[in-house]
Amino acid sequence: QQPVQSPQAVILREGEDAVINCSSSKALYSVHWYRQKHGEAPVFLMILLKGGEQKGHDKISASFNEKKQQSSLYLTASQLSYSGTYFCGTEMDRGAGSYQLTFGKGTKLSVIP
Amino acid sequence: DGGITQSPKYLFRKEGQNVTLSCEQNLNHDAMYWYRQDPGQGLRLIYYSQIVNDFQKGDIAEGYSVSREKKESFPLTVTSAQKNPTAFYLCASSQRANTEAFFGQGTRLTVV
Repeated sequence: QQPVQSPQAVILREGEDAVINCSSSKALYSVHWYRQKHGEAPVFLMILLKGGEQKGHDKISASFNEKKQQSSLYLTASQLSYSGTYFCGTEMDRGAGSYQLTFGKGTKLSVIP
Repeated sequence: DGGITQSPKYLFRKEGQNVTLSCEQNLNHDAMYWYRQDPGQGLRLIYYSQIVNDFQKGDIAEGYSVSREKKESFPLTVTSAQKNPTAFYLCASSQRANTEAFFGQGTRLTVV
């Protein structure tokens, strides 16, 4: 039931842009995005709820296509600090008010000078 | 400071022994989660709980057990039935469904 992320890994030079995709075969209630640096806990970036909204802060933004059960994370003008593994998390309604937060396998992003 | 605490950071156990990993949060969050992280596998959900005294199995619950007797605590027991217990375990909590999840620093369990 893990969402599928692509690509698995990407290498960027500083200033370049990247897109990370996340898709699910199940109906989603929300999509989360997190970044994890090596040996650390994942850190929240943003959450998108049903309604197809697009959110963002600074040079990182995301969209959620509810009909296709897909989300994309956009990183523009990448900085060295963007390096890490990005995870999308999807919440599905399991019924009776129960929501399961499931993560993908991650996308390893490396930004080089 | 509010947060979510996992202890210990590193844990070593002999094969065949049960071991309990601690997870405590003082954020007054209703929902808590346990994930297992292996290289290349992402975060796989073991168990989750959205209210006290109630919890549900995730995708890889076999060989694990949990309890949720208090809102702030969600301990995970890795039993001898878990065939490959060596992994990095992460606990998380959120205020309710569809809100930001906060993660603990993780426990690295090594079974020898």
